[in-house]
Amino acid sequence: KAGVTQTPRYLIKTRGQQVTLSCSPISGHRSVSWYQQTPGQGLQFLFEYFSETQRNKGNFPGRFSGRQFSNSRSEMNVSTLELGDSALYLCASSFGSNRGYGYTFGSGTRLTVV
Amino acid sequence: DAKTTQPNSMESNEEEPVHLPCNHSTISGTDYIHWYRQLPSQGPEYVIHGLTSNVNNRMASLAIAEDRKSSTLILHRATLRDAAVYYCILLNNNAGNMLTFGGGTRLMVKP
Repeated sequence: KAGVTQTPRYLIKTRGQQVTLSCSPISGHRSVSWYQQTPGQGLQFLFEYFSETQRNKGNFPGRFSGRQFSNSRSEMNVSTLELGDSALYLCASSFGSNRGYGYTFGSGTRLTVV
Repeated sequence: DAKTTQPNSMESNEEEPVHLPCNHSTISGTDYIHWYRQLPSQGPEYVIHGLTSNVNNRMASLAIAEDRKSSTLILHRATLRDAAVYYCILLNNNAGNMLTFGGGTRLMVKP
């Protein structure tokens, strides 16, 4: 069965631009979460969507936003890019919102801001 | 929020068992214990999770202390492909479905 698919795999953007990243969860999974990974801060939670509703949000500025569609696919958007936004962005999906379920991660989108 | 404490790094020889410890002394009764690992240049990978009883799956075993203040991830026969950073994470009601990753344990496997 297909895993979590993230597109694109690599992206280079200029400061001040905006970017949209896409995540297709495993079929049947309704929960999608996003994480940012940097060498300095490690893995940090951005937000989680379940059935098109944002259920949790991490401690990131409002420039970071996301949404989930009726087919559970999710997108995250970063506006007014800063150099510090350079990171690996990971998406994870799960069956439901119950903490008893495991999460399947995608391979990530590596964003470089120049 | 309940936190976990893991050693920064551990070494193992190939084909030997590995016991990765995790302390979570402030765990609450409804916290699940999750383990993930991250291989180089990949996203984290789910390994195993449990609540109170020991758990086994094809990848590993999870041994949970009776008081739940600590747990141990057991890899029965380490292979070179098991070299990764292993994260022990608690999921609780307040955090919803947010995985809070700490520094994890970097496992090195020697041939």
